[in-house]
Amino acid sequence: DTGVSQDPRHKITKRGQNVTFRCDPISEHNRLYWYRQTLGQGPEFLTYFQNEAQLEKSRLLSDRFSAERPKGSFSTLEIQRTEQGDSAMYLCASSLDGIGNSPLHFGNGTRLTVT
Amino acid sequence: LAKTTQPISMDSYEGQEVNITCSHNNIATNDYITWYQQFPSQGPRFIIQGYKTKVTNEVASLFIPADRKSSTLSLPRVSLSDTAVYYCLVVRDSGYALNFGKGTSLLVTP
Repeated sequence: DTGVSQDPRHKITKRGQNVTFRCDPISEHNRLYWYRQTLGQGPEFLTYFQNEAQLEKSRLLSDRFSAERPKGSFSTLEIQRTEQGDSAMYLCASSLDGIGNSPLHFGNGTRLTVT
Repeated sequence: LAKTTQPISMDSYEGQEVNITCSHNNIATNDYITWYQQFPSQGPRFIIQGYKTKVTNEVASLFIPADRKSSTLSLPRVSLSDTAVYYCLVVRDSGYALNFGKGTSLLVTP
């Protein structure tokens, strides 16, 4: 178990560009979550997958945000036409499903800076 | 889901026991109480989870009274490395956390 891995750790982009982040969950975890965290705030839920199915996406911040988990393993979060307000830490977490209330295991995030 | 309220910040000296209380008045029957710890530039890390009474692990204890409307995270003999933000969450069974809130920023000094 190598934990949840996120890539890249840091991303600087210019306003209007598209960015994509990758998350590799713990291998046996079938749930995968994306959160966003801004300075001084706790993580804010964006979306989650159970295997390859995206079961909740109503909290994605706008239609510029999309996420995929094509084979139920790694996931990507894409932000199109980035804005300065998108600057934040994007966190990925994974958990087991169907075992009581399985805690989340977080990666160390991708810090996005939009200039 | 039940809203949680916890202190914004707390200070402690090394070696002391720290108790962080969280209120969750509207907790439902199938909700669990979960605590996470977060260091700067890292993702949150699960500390402990409970449903009722007391839960203890190698890191902390969690005390939950019978009415479950509050809970207390107890950190025994804190060290400087326990300086972090601590989040109290109420999570539905087989559900997930929507928002972590602002948490409690704990500062441990020598």
